[in-house]
Amino acid sequence: EVQVLQSGGGLVRPGGSLRLSCSVSGFIVSHSYMTWVRQAPGKGLEWVSVIYTGGSTHYADSVKDRFTISRDNSNNTLYLQMNSLRVEDTAVYYCAKGGLLTGFDPWGQGTLVTVSS
Amino acid sequence: SYELTQPLSVSVALGQTAIITCGGHNIGSKNVHWYQQRPGQAPVLVIYRDTSRPSGIPERFSGSTSGVAATLTISRAQAGDEADYYCQVWDSSTWVFGGGTKLTVL
Repeated sequence: EVQVLQSGGGLVRPGGSLRLSCSVSGFIVSHSYMTWVRQAPGKGLEWVSVIYTGGSTHYADSVKDRFTISRDNSNNTLYLQMNSLRVEDTAVYYCAKGGLLTGFDPWGQGTLVTVSS
Repeated sequence: SYELTQPLSVSVALGQTAIITCGGHNIGSKNVHWYQQRPGQAPVLVIYRDTSRPSGIPERFSGSTSGVAATLTISRAQAGDEADYYCQVWDSSTWVFGGGTKLTVL
């Protein structure tokens, strides 16, 4: 059975750091495009980052140089390290298996990140 | 940067057909995916690659594209279809989502 289970998140001060995790079962993270998507309260979906099968990464301009996507192949887990957090980074963050032709499926349950003083 | 335009809201009577559009430059040349997001839940893929339906998604959901717009059609609308719907494409190494359409089933 395919499962995507997220952890991490919470309340952090502006300028602080946080790491999100996404534990996967039923498919191999390193054999898939893996992505992060966020949704600010009451807003739409915003793509954040992707890690490709070869290990290369790409980021939305809004998070470039502050966020880092990575994976642990031995634990089949995806991560998002978020540094220099801003109030506008407050959102529910989702991880998902991505694909140019297949869309994003499945998705994790989401985890709330609140950046506030 | 590439933009996708969706109507903010669409209403449909119970049992009737809902049509949600997604506009973008030369969108017919791209692979369009559609997601359903019910309140408080994670998005769910309902259509991928313009017209394909993932396993478990009812046949009532269908997709199509033309040169300037992609369309998600929901036939025989049910109360459970009430949700936000997002279109998505890949462009210039980034994924782009439309602003979302709130579907209300009357």
